[in-house]
Amino acid sequence: QVQLQESGPGLVKPSQTLSLTCTVSGDSIRDGSYHWGWIRQPAGKGLEWIGRIYNSGSSNYNPSLKSRVTMSIDTSKKQFSLKLSAVTAADTAVYYCTRGRGGHGTDYWGQGTLVTVSS
Amino acid sequence: QPVLTQSSSASASLGSSVKLTCTLTSGHSHYIIAWHQQQPGKAPRYLMKLEDSGSFTRGSGVPDRFSGSTSGPDRDLTISNLQSEDEADYYCETWDSITPWVFGGGTKLTVL
Repeated sequence: QVQLQESGPGLVKPSQTLSLTCTVSGDSIRDGSYHWGWIRQPAGKGLEWIGRIYNSGSSNYNPSLKSRVTMSIDTSKKQFSLKLSAVTAADTAVYYCTRGRGGHGTDYWGQGTLVTVSS
Repeated sequence: QPVLTQSSSASASLGSSVKLTCTLTSGHSHYIIAWHQQQPGKAPRYLMKLEDSGSFTRGSGVPDRFSGSTSGPDRDLTISNLQSEDEADYYCETWDSITPWVFGGGTKLTVL
């Protein structure tokens, strides 16, 4: 059973950079057929994808966030990370890390972490 | 890119069955989708992958009360013998070569 766990500050000031890390159990992070992603959900709203990364370092970002997003992966630590710069109150949401695979969709989700953007 | 359309709400009685539908836009009716369940205050949970053939594969630990079926652009999730813990939001998901994720707006299921 794969487990994903998000970690990072729960409060970020406007204009600063949000940084989150996801730690993955097991060895599937070394399998290049999986992608590792971030999805967020504002309170009471639906799901919005942020981006994904493969263990090769190849990545795709949501065009609406692309200018502010950077993702990285460290297979030796079994971790991947998200940085979202110049945050505003509109970035307040629960952030989920995920595992997915082509042709299968997202098959594992982290428990989620609430990030609030406020001064 | 594909668009997924879901009804905003549904309800059914304890012990009965309910069918939730996710509809793909024209031209995308061959797409594979995934269904996810999000119980109140919890993270989404993967339920199954559902193909255009109607073949479905449940995720690990998903009860066989959850099944999938396909009719044209419609990707249906059927929940049998409804339990109180099935009260949740249900999202469908698809993807293509350009867009890693496309989500439906979600259906809020109430168990009466």
